[in-house]
Amino acid sequence: GQQVMQIPQYQHVQEGEDFTTYCNSSTTLSNIQWYKQRPGGHPVFLIQLVKSGEVKKQKRLTFQFGEAKKNSSLHITATQTTDVGTYFCAAPRSNFGNEKLTFGTGTRLTIIP
Amino acid sequence: EPEVTQTPSHQVTQMGQEVILRCVPISNHLYFYWYRQILGQKVEFLVSFYNNEISEKSEIFDDQFSVERPDGSNFTLKIRSTKLEDSAMYFCASSESRDRGHYGYTFGSGTRLTVV
Repeated sequence: GQQVMQIPQYQHVQEGEDFTTYCNSSTTLSNIQWYKQRPGGHPVFLIQLVKSGEVKKQKRLTFQFGEAKKNSSLHITATQTTDVGTYFCAAPRSNFGNEKLTFGTGTRLTIIP
Repeated sequence: EPEVTQTPSHQVTQMGQEVILRCVPISNHLYFYWYRQILGQKVEFLVSFYNNEISEKSEIFDDQFSVERPDGSNFTLKIRSTKLEDSAMYFCASSESRDRGHYGYTFGSGTRLTVV
């Protein structure tokens, strides 16, 4: 079955430093989604990437989808304490979505003030 | 902003007892899901539901689990005879119709189930 791995599992950074999490799939993905889960909270949808090589930005967050559509990354520039949480990539099986999401293993980001 | 509502927020139950977890999805969403997350681990798919029937279920979703949409607004997950290993956070989610493309899933705030 489809497997989605993320590295690193944990990342501790000083406030103001950059942060990157990487997502790798065993199979070619139709699209990839990213979610953020605050401590004690629920997953919140951030973005979806569909096209090979696609790059999208949300303020300090930059999302990339690999050329082969088997990997993706999320980069946060100049982290703030509000960035604390676990970042998950997630992959549905088709571009229509509405099917099960396979979540990655997640990267837990903690910020040292 | 529309929300997915889940009740209760925390449920403690004796092993072997039945529990029903309740969810009210976003009103114009047609696809509904249950996921669970054991503490500190990743989010795992349980079941998807569309047009009043299960469209897909995982290996976790065995005969002890069932889902229902009894009245057009609520979406429930029933665990017939709970086991210790069912202790987890259970998330309900919904997503928009297929015709509108895919905009991500909206998750509820979850029900923490503790089986003792």
